[in-house]
Amino acid sequence: GAGVSQSPRYKVTKRGQDVALRCDPISGHVSLYWYRQALGQGPEFLTYFNYEAQQDKSGLPNDRFSAERPEGSISTLTIQRTEQRDSAMYRCASSLSAGSSTDTQYFGPGTRLTVL
Amino acid sequence: AQSVTQLGSHVSVSEGALVLLRCNYSSSVPPYLFWYVQYPNQGLQLLLKYTTGATLVKGINGFEAEFKKSETSFHLTKPSAHMSDAAEYFCAVKPSTNKLIFGTGTLLAVQP
Repeated sequence: GAGVSQSPRYKVTKRGQDVALRCDPISGHVSLYWYRQALGQGPEFLTYFNYEAQQDKSGLPNDRFSAERPEGSISTLTIQRTEQRDSAMYRCASSLSAGSSTDTQYFGPGTRLTVL
Repeated sequence: AQSVTQLGSHVSVSEGALVLLRCNYSSSVPPYLFWYVQYPNQGLQLLLKYTTGATLVKGINGFEAEFKKSETSFHLTKPSAHMSDAAEYFCAVKPSTNKLIFGTGTLLAVQP
């Protein structure tokens, strides 16, 4: 079956512009996660959803970052007024169950964001 | 706070040699432990995970890892490296919450 998909795969934007990154999880997966990975680092948690409810947004770096999953499937991560320090790979993952710590998170290919 | 340390950001082995990638974690309680692999231009793929039970965990592509609570370690090994193993490897822990905490990664190079 289809895995996690993300679009666009690459995004180049100018400082100050808003960007929207999309994640389409594996069909039927309840939980959806966003991570950010800077060059030379491991992914860092941003936020996650169970169904349409945002359960934890403690990793969002500031109020320019927001995420939604209105129908419990596709999710959008929005960055307003982008800054050069926002440049990174943004990764989405999904898992089957809600609240299961042992569930595997399946990752998409990521969106490479470059802010000029 | 939970954290993961991967010793060696770059490891190079010869084809057919043992692969050993090190991972240590800090946790007040035994966490769930994972190894992911990232091939160029692809997403992270789960190699193996430890949740409970047997401390020696076998994963895909001949990799295995052993959870050693006394050493707070979860090192990844493979007896004989193959050229196709060249990739970046990430160790991760999942404490009681659902988020994964990753190490900084180890880039494995396999020399012919």
